Amino acid sequence: DTAVSQTPKYLVTQMGNDKSIKCEQNLGHDTMYWYKQDSKKFLKIMFSYNNKELIINETVPNRFSPKSPDKAHLNLHINSLELGDSAVYFCASRPQGRVTEAFFGQGTRLTVV
Amino acid sequence: AQKVTQAQTEISVVEKEDVTLDCVYETRDTTYYLFWYKQPPSGELVFLIRRNSFDEQNEISGRYSWNFQKSTSSFNFTITASQVVDSAVYFCDLSRIQGAQKLVFGQGTRLTINP
Repeated sequence: DTAVSQTPKYLVTQMGNDKSIKCEQNLGHDTMYWYKQDSKKFLKIMFSYNNKELIINETVPNRFSPKSPDKAHLNLHINSLELGDSAVYFCASRPQGRVTEAFFGQGTRLTVV
Repeated sequence: AQKVTQAQTEISVVEKEDVTLDCVYETRDTTYYLFWYKQPPSGELVFLIRRNSFDEQNEISGRYSWNFQKSTSSFNFTITASQVVDSAVYFCDLSRIQGAQKLVFGQGTRLTINP
């Protein structure tokens, strides 16, 4: 069973469209993250949720809206996609209260044309 | 604020050479955790090691070893007798114990092992 799964793995879309990326973890973790990896491989945090509550929002444009229906899911919705949104987006999870390694999804490669 | 610096953007060596990847960090916390992750060409992020700030013992795992020096705020990673399969981007990460536990990554070091 995949611990952290993201869908879709690849997403190609036109500028101006709205798209969503889904993330689910079956590890029972309380904390989930979204990270953006740009073309230079730099990993930058976007959001973090703990038990469905937003705890980190790192100066991400309002066009990006995370949604956590329950603690096992953290979805990312992007409105009015721009060329600069092209990147690989990683979902990750970690248990609360213990600083363990983060468990990452396989990534979603978003290409905006 | 926390910061991780991996000054080596790219390293290229010939197979069987030893190679060290540097990681320097900044934090005001007295307790924290450090991690290394590997991202092979297939793209997934693979956990390699976790070290807490209380434990300055060096660690060896097969061909991999880690040198943690709190005095110089460094957590360097050495691969001995490198192999082509070691080719990947390697990330150093600093995580707080208190507060919002975000992962703070360095810029990554792209390691290429040539046959």
